[in-house]
Amino acid sequence: ETGVTQTPRHLVMGMTNKKSLKCEQHLGHNAMYWYKQSAKKPLELMFVYNFKEQTENNSVPSRFSPECPNSSHLFLHLHTLQPEDSALYLCASSQPTVAGGELFFGEGSRLTVL
Amino acid sequence: GENVEQHPSTLSVQEGDSAVIKCTYSDSASNYFPWYKQELGKRPQLIIDIRSNVGEKKDQRIAVTLNKTAKHFSLHITETQPEDSAVYFCAASGPGGGSQGNLIFGKGTKLSVKP
Repeated sequence: ETGVTQTPRHLVMGMTNKKSLKCEQHLGHNAMYWYKQSAKKPLELMFVYNFKEQTENNSVPSRFSPECPNSSHLFLHLHTLQPEDSALYLCASSQPTVAGGELFFGEGSRLTVL
Repeated sequence: GENVEQHPSTLSVQEGDSAVIKCTYSDSASNYFPWYKQELGKRPQLIIDIRSNVGEKKDQRIAVTLNKTAKHFSLHITETQPEDSAVYFCAASGPGGGSQGNLIFGKGTKLSVKP
């Protein structure tokens, strides 16, 4: 048990579909993250939430919409995606610290956009 | 913002040899430098980290060195074993909250250890 669980593990969707990725952490952390991992840009930071508040949006297109209802759950809502959005989406959590802290990653959700 | 460059992108060594992966960073305010290992089909996991107040840190066969003046840091793996085969990512982050405190990753190095 790693403490960070992502569902679904695999997702195939058309460009007109609407789907959501879910992340749950059982580590008592207060910071949660979405990273995109693709061949071109491995581990690209997308969004950061600290204590349920979004503190970072790394110029992500609006077709990706994050939601953090509490410190343990993080969602990524997807709509009208493009084929180039196909990638592994990794969720992570950490304890916010002054000088950096360990990220605990989930297994990832492999997204394929047709 | 921070930019992290990582070299080489691929590295192949014989079992028992040493492997060295190098990273440079752009933001002189960065003060935390972790290394993550990602085995095929698995999640990235922290293997070692170093903060700017030290120049070197070692954990068994793994060591990391930091040169703040030159803004570069390196991962050293000695006596490599086949299970060391993975993609290794370096990262850097700065102090405080907000954007500066977020980890920015290098592009990764695929290490292959041949038995």
